[in-house]
Amino acid sequence: QQPVQSPQAVILREGEDAVINCSSSKALYSVHWYRQKHGEAPVFLMILLKGGEQKGHEKISASFNEKKQQSSLYLTASQLSYSGTYFCGTERGTNAGKSTFGDGTTLTVKP
Amino acid sequence: GAGVSQSPRYKVAKRGQDVALRCDPISGHVSLFWYQQALGQGPEFLTYFQNEAQLDKSGLPSDRFFAERPEGSVSTLKIQRTQQEDSAVYLCASSLNPRGGLSEQYFGPGTRLTVT
Repeated sequence: QQPVQSPQAVILREGEDAVINCSSSKALYSVHWYRQKHGEAPVFLMILLKGGEQKGHEKISASFNEKKQQSSLYLTASQLSYSGTYFCGTERGTNAGKSTFGDGTTLTVKP
Repeated sequence: GAGVSQSPRYKVAKRGQDVALRCDPISGHVSLFWYQQALGQGPEFLTYFQNEAQLDKSGLPSDRFFAERPEGSVSTLKIQRTQQEDSAVYLCASSLNPRGGLSEQYFGPGTRLTVT
């Protein structure tokens, strides 16, 4: 079952914050986040394992609520380089390798 | 190598032709994945290898799709009798973790397949 991401698109000014959500109807074991710029490969941002942890990477952090089967990606003080499409990938723990990705959230940061 | 490489980067095939797409993962990476990405959508899982063993091929759309990784490194995705709906970007990713879904996946640049 494909996770659902929201919103589908966000437009920000430099320095503004954004939150991207990823929800699943199935129990999750892990959630991972990637950013893909147009015509390029997805680049790994972070992975969260079940346990409700929160992780941070500079001004990008994420949380994982396993009870709600949701993850959120927080981008603070956005920079122009944050523009791209953000995908969440989920793994249910019942299958060692299969990751299911959402359809992405397109983030545009303007000067 | 420095990263995951894929070849060719672009492939145009006439309907009915067979194609072979190659993936060179990062040296030492145990897990290897193939994804299909349609325009405006997220990567869709095709198949997964742990070393040379194909542990999951549930995402392959039909029996025209076949993937192999005979020596546990380079992988080839073969599509027989291509059809227009096969047009997409095919992404390969590798991971150090044997349980690939639980760790960082490094993606290659993809092969853009256009079937005319």
